[in-house]
Amino acid sequence: GNSVTQMEGPVTLSEEAFLTINCTYTATGYPSLFWYVQYPGEGLQLLLKATKADDKGSNKGFEATYRKETTSFHLEKGSVQVSDSAVYFCALSERVGSQGNLIFGKGTKLSVKP
Amino acid sequence: DSGVTQTPKHLITATGQRVTLRCSPRSGDLSVYWYQQSLDQGLQFLIQYYNGEERAKGNILERFSAQQFPDLHSELNLSSLELGDSALYFCASSPRQGTSAGNTIYFGEGSWLTVV
Repeated sequence: GNSVTQMEGPVTLSEEAFLTINCTYTATGYPSLFWYVQYPGEGLQLLLKATKADDKGSNKGFEATYRKETTSFHLEKGSVQVSDSAVYFCALSERVGSQGNLIFGKGTKLSVKP
Repeated sequence: DSGVTQTPKHLITATGQRVTLRCSPRSGDLSVYWYQQSLDQGLQFLIQYYNGEERAKGNILERFSAQQFPDLHSELNLSSLELGDSALYFCASSPRQGTSAGNTIYFGEGSWLTVV
């Protein structure tokens, strides 16, 4: 079945450090890929998405490229801020299908220290 | 603000009781989804409705049920509650039924359920 695997956290970085959170997936068909972020005490927010191979999603300085050959969608940011501290979830959905649900990874907690 | 509204935000109830969680989707969205987030299981898809009809079922217990009303709001009913049902329950919505490119799913802030 479809699945998403994320690097385990927590990840602790100093402000302005480079961030990479690894995400790989297993899926049939051609999934769309997403990164969601959950700030402390809040719900899930869509951070970025990519709907086909080689697409790059970007938002708020975060980027992720859909790599079909390595079935990966790693999240990167060049210089993290304290305000980026949150839990990050990688997710996939089938591009065409009767089901509209997302399959999530277990989440990676990021803590950024000043 | 995603535009998805969930009530109540917090709820504490006893084992064996029944609760109803309510969700109003984003304006114009026809699909509603329910997810459960717990420490041990992570984020799990429970059920999806599209324009009033059930479309997909995930790991939803028989003690749980949901429905989507003509005005498109949805309710998740949880009965015979157990301690293990304590979790954050998310509602989400999207414009269309499937997950074709561009049909992004937007989440509400969740309803915290604590069963004591």
